[in-house]
Amino acid sequence: DTGVSQDPRHKITKRGQNVTFRCDPISEHNRLYWYRQTLGQGPEFLTYFQNEAQLEKSRLLSDRFSAERPKGSFSTLEIQRTEQGDSAMYLCASSSLSGNYGYTFGSGTRLTVV
Amino acid sequence: DQQVKQNSPSLSVQEGRISILNCDYTNSMFDYFLWYKKYPAEGPTFLISISSIKDKNEDGRFTVFLNKSAKHLSLHIVPSQPGDSAVYFCAASAKAGGTSYGKLTFGQGTILTVHP
Repeated sequence: DTGVSQDPRHKITKRGQNVTFRCDPISEHNRLYWYRQTLGQGPEFLTYFQNEAQLEKSRLLSDRFSAERPKGSFSTLEIQRTEQGDSAMYLCASSSLSGNYGYTFGSGTRLTVV
Repeated sequence: DQQVKQNSPSLSVQEGRISILNCDYTNSMFDYFLWYKKYPAEGPTFLISISSIKDKNEDGRFTVFLNKSAKHLSLHIVPSQPGDSAVYFCAASAKAGGTSYGKLTFGQGTILTVHP
């Protein structure tokens, strides 16, 4: 297992378009998290799953954002009708149920909305 | 509201000296704290953590201290090396559902530069 994988690494899109990102967690991890990071800030929590159940969503996650983890393995994050303010690094992380040994992050997807 | 704060945006130290990075939190429910290191164009990498039942945890050159009464933690790196130059994030979590930890709340980060 090579860790948490995110695809694509970079995405440039025009305002108003829809984009979808994918995250493949560490296979034995049953929790998966999405975060967003903008320049000069720490990662901000968006949502997380335990297996296929979405357990929590941040207020930051407007109705243009949707996340799924249909089979409890990989996850997708979709942003509809993108806005320039959506430009950020989108990070995925996974952990075991206890999470006591640190969450493992992927390298992120850099989204630029032009 | 910023529940986890790192008030120093940057820190510069000489190789071989000690680096001390500070973090304050406001949420009394936080009981597990982590430090992450981040290089440009990469995701954060876990460094060290501490549970609220402890006041110190050590791993090689890295030591984290927790002062619960002051809601303050710090990361000490001794001796500092040029390869330690990165952005350091403090993060905190509270048990979700009573048995396990959920999301992390991050500080804004501190840019550490270690000069040869």
